[in-house]
Amino acid sequence: DAKTTQPTSMDCAEGRAANLPCNHSTISGNEYVYWYRQIHSQGPQYIIHGLKNNETNEMASLIITEDRKSSTLILPHATLRDTAVYYCIALYGGATNKLIFGTGTLLAIQP
Amino acid sequence: NAGVTQTPKFQVLKTGQSMTLQCAQDMNHNSMYWYRQDPGMGLRLIYYSASEGTTDKGEVPNGYNVSRLNKREFSLRLESAAPSQTSVYFCASSVGEKLFFGSGTQLSVL
Repeated sequence: DAKTTQPTSMDCAEGRAANLPCNHSTISGNEYVYWYRQIHSQGPQYIIHGLKNNETNEMASLIITEDRKSSTLILPHATLRDTAVYYCIALYGGATNKLIFGTGTLLAIQP
Repeated sequence: NAGVTQTPKFQVLKTGQSMTLQCAQDMNHNSMYWYRQDPGMGLRLIYYSASEGTTDKGEVPNGYNVSRLNKREFSLRLESAAPSQTSVYFCASSVGEKLFFGSGTQLSVL
């Protein structure tokens, strides 16, 4: 599975869009990009995933570059409750037993 | 709809004691997982079960056993607890590409 690289931490003002980057330059054609988040002391929560097209759901948008070497998770209107560690994971579709959570990005929403 | 339920939420053990962490899901998912998370680190897979009656080792299975009792329940047993097993334990189940996690069990082994 491809390695992903994320910033250790980021800040964002409440009400603004939070843009979380992820590099996955060695991703293969069959690997999806998954995003999960973990709010302090809770279990991780699925956010979104995609292969090559941009994806949007009720929580976030996922923008994947055309060469698939990087992606950005967008939280359109960040709230204090979005403060969490965000994990970007590259994984072959269906290989949920291979899901590896690294250290992620600690996103702090500032009031 | 409770989702994934873990019990207990907190537990303190002495070295050498045994215990079983319980996990149950009410979403009719086939696959279930046990992870551990140490301070400042990501989650590491201990065991998973792709379906009722099957279990497989993950990244860090040593010192643990699991039982997939039925489709709903997946338990994790520590036969002889060690201080190195002090951690937060998460159970999860999955459908398709999404994993759903429980709220965790904080275990301290003294």
